[in-house]
Amino acid sequence: QVQLVQSGAEVKKPGSSVKVSCKASGGAFTSYGFNWVRQAPGQGLQWMGGIVPLISSSVYAQNFQGRVTFTADKSTSTAYMVLSSLQSEDTAIYFCATVQWDVSGPFDHWGQGTLVTVSS
Amino acid sequence: QRVVTQSPSASASLGASVRLTCSLSSGHSRYAIAWLQQRPEKGPRFLMKVNSDGSLTKGDAIPDRFSGSSSGTERYLIISSLQSEDEADYYCQAWGTGIQVVFGGGTKLTVL
Repeated sequence: QVQLVQSGAEVKKPGSSVKVSCKASGGAFTSYGFNWVRQAPGQGLQWMGGIVPLISSSVYAQNFQGRVTFTADKSTSTAYMVLSSLQSEDTAIYFCATVQWDVSGPFDHWGQGTLVTVSS
Repeated sequence: QRVVTQSPSASASLGASVRLTCSLSSGHSRYAIAWLQQRPEKGPRFLMKVNSDGSLTKGDAIPDRFSGSSSGTERYLIISSLQSEDEADYYCQAWGTGIQVVFGGGTKLTVL
């Protein structure tokens, strides 16, 4: 089964960008879609969108369109999420999660999460 | 109208059973959902997928105490023989044409 390990915590200034990585092991990288979900402090889960590395196709949640970019590096089995124009409201834990063959489906494996703090 | 709705809280006694509900909005009665468990200070964990016909696909190493069912626009998570470690937030996740991916607001389960 796939295991997902995310990059470490980040502290960013307002207006800057953050890049979070999600390295997969134990499964065929291109057999998964990689979704990104965030959780603000004390809040629920919010889907941001995802990427299917096999076909290099991304989908974006309306709330994040234009401000988030998803990429994937097949050579290192790593998916990336870049969120730009950061504001304090973007302070959250960011998770990657996989779906078999697509981004639409049950999120059956999750990374450990990456805390992004946006503060001046 | 929210696509998926959950009660914010539930409670049950140690050793008892509890049923959590995920309600789909009308027009989405055929959608499958996934149940996720999030223990305090941890990331979400996939428990199972519940199809509209009540069939289940469980995650890796999910105990038999966890089960699910379906009726109309309701999807259920049933936890039997409650243990203290079951105290957590439980989210339902839905996906599909026209809704992309959505999460319910979560149910906080307290084990008394």
